[in-house]
Amino acid sequence: GQNIDQPTEMTATEGAIVQINCTYQTSGFNGLFWYQQHAGEAPTFLSYNVLDGLEEKGRFSSFLSRSKGYSYLLLKELQMKDSASYLCAVRDSNYQLIWGAGTKLIIKP
Amino acid sequence: IAGITQAPTSQILAAGRRMTLRCTQDMRHNAMYWYRQDLGLGLRLIHYSNTAGTTGKGEVPDGYSVSRANTDDFPLTLASAVPSQTSVYFCASRPGGDTGELFFGEGSRLTVL
Repeated sequence: GQNIDQPTEMTATEGAIVQINCTYQTSGFNGLFWYQQHAGEAPTFLSYNVLDGLEEKGRFSSFLSRSKGYSYLLLKELQMKDSASYLCAVRDSNYQLIWGAGTKLIIKP
Repeated sequence: IAGITQAPTSQILAAGRRMTLRCTQDMRHNAMYWYRQDLGLGLRLIHYSNTAGTTGKGEVPDGYSVSRANTDDFPLTLASAVPSQTSVYFCASRPGGDTGELFFGEGSRLTVL
């Protein structure tokens, strides 16, 4: 079967750095996505990786290793508004998205 | 309208009733999707449409139907609602291009009693 694993919840301090990991086992691979979802709101797109390596976008970076079936989302200079769930999703060989259950990130002052 | 609009935002429904969740987009995206989101689970695809006039089944299609008469509208119908269909439903659309970024509506919270 297809599976996306990410931690259920993480806690970090305002101003610090946090890394959210995602491991996947899917039928084929055509890209990995990270979305942010604030409580009660819709998911919004953060990043896309299809090749190995690091993609940086402001305070957020996303890393991919296809051989290891692994990705992480790195958030720097954490702000209170970063408190949200972070969803990892992989596009499989049929170009369908397989979603992880999400990681709830709690930021403390 | 800017983006994707879903209606209703929230609804309480008696089991056995028929319900249609509406979804309209103004971005002229070809592909549209319906997902349900339940606590502790990832988003699960119910139905999708790659272009107007075509639809396909996702991971959890049973009990749901969709239609795509035009590019903008993609309604989801529950023919006879059951309590297990209590969930938050998200409509999404995707522009062309490799990244395949999804744009989501604000969601419809449905409770079936």
